[in-house]
Amino acid sequence: EVQLVESGGGLVQPGRSLRLSCVGSGFTFGDYAMSWFRQAPGKGLEWVGFIRRKAYGGTTKFAAAVKGRFNISRDDFNSIAYLHMNSLKTEDTAVYYCGKTFYRTYISDAFDLWGQGTAVTVSS
Amino acid sequence: QSVLTQPPSVSAAPGQEVTISCSGSTSNIGSNYVSWYLQLPGTAPKLLIYETEKRPSGILGRFSGSKSGTSATLGITALQTGDEAQYYCATWDNSLNTPLFGGGTKLTVL
Repeated sequence: EVQLVESGGGLVQPGRSLRLSCVGSGFTFGDYAMSWFRQAPGKGLEWVGFIRRKAYGGTTKFAAAVKGRFNISRDDFNSIAYLHMNSLKTEDTAVYYCGKTFYRTYISDAFDLWGQGTAVTVSS
Repeated sequence: QSVLTQPPSVSAAPGQEVTISCSGSTSNIGSNYVSWYLQLPGTAPKLLIYETEKRPSGILGRFSGSKSGTSATLGITALQTGDEAQYYCATWDNSLNTPLFGGGTKLTVL
């Protein structure tokens, strides 16, 4: 089955770190860039960051709100993308989703496979 | 506040047609394709439209997309109560060099 499954969410105190995982199956994980998104309670979707496929350097890019605090890495052998979240703030509280880019060759606004999401609550 | 502007809500009766607008600028919608996503309550987003007007396999022909200048539109015909959801537009922004999402529109089928 073609799917993405996130895990690693939970309750964390402000200033602490958390790592989310996104496991892919049913497709050649290493052939695609992977993105992370979030949705704060009652709010809309927000793109968080992406990591390119290794063939294109495996480089990353992040939204301004998380730049310098979040990082993304990938383990293509095990079909996993990670979101490393540091110096967490209360405003990072959200459901976090990973998503697969539609195209093999470039990143765009089209993401054709999403995980079910994992909830992160940042609170003291 | 999102760079892409969508109406917070739209409504229509079952069987009718509805359109949802998404307004941007020359650096995003005006220069790039647009995607649309549907998000049912408590679920992950689902790709409805890509490259402004194309439907992924499995998406019914009741959903259509179009663009004019710096605005895009999602059209849904033959509305069903199951279409009640949040709808988001998305596009690439050439200034930010990142994808952007609209704020979302809640569709109510009365």
